[in-house]
Amino acid sequence: QKEVEQNSGPLSVPEGAIASLNCTYSDRVSQSFFWYRQYSGKSPELIMSIYSNGDKEDGRFTAQLNKASQYVSLLIRDSQPSDSATYLCAVNKGFQKLVFGTGTRLLVSP
Amino acid sequence: GAVVSQHPSWVICKSGTSVKIECRSLDFQATTMFWYRQFPKQSLMLMATSNEGSKATYEQGVEKDKFLINHASLTLSTLTVTSAHPEDSSFYICSAPPSTSGRNEQFFGPGTRLTVL
Repeated sequence: QKEVEQNSGPLSVPEGAIASLNCTYSDRVSQSFFWYRQYSGKSPELIMSIYSNGDKEDGRFTAQLNKASQYVSLLIRDSQPSDSATYLCAVNKGFQKLVFGTGTRLLVSP
Repeated sequence: GAVVSQHPSWVICKSGTSVKIECRSLDFQATTMFWYRQFPKQSLMLMATSNEGSKATYEQGVEKDKFLINHASLTLSTLTVTSAHPEDSSFYICSAPPSTSGRNEQFFGPGTRLTVL
């Protein structure tokens, strides 16, 4: 079992729709969770961090964490073509080390 | 967010040569920096943890004699790929969590694309 799992996609949504990205992790003791956006050929950019169960909202982005189910998700409201990218879920495995999922490719069509 | 720079942004070298990549935290101090490698269409793989004032710690399967890491100051870590070969061609990215932040957020440099001919 991979430490962090994501559906590779692509996830295709029309402009203006809600994109829902999901991630599961295997290590129950993980405490910190992150979503990064990576455009092709570029390095990852931090979008959201979440540390406690529930929802955390920042603009059009909402991160959701359910530690009991070992599940993290990212919702993008009013999706824009510029949101088209690969979204990486990352979990802190201790000593500040991050383990990344393989990423979900999001395509937002105009 | 905090700013991390890398230099060079891309490099092409001949097989057998060594390449040095610099990672700098521009507006914060980082006692720890991380080096990742990303092959096309794959996710980031942690190579090593760079520790200021002490030896780097390497992930399993990463050759420490091939990938030399030096954390010279609280704002600079370097990765040297020694005797590079075509299979070392990859996207190398560093990251740093601000030392004063207790939230474990990491900020990535723009990456260095290495092509070994």
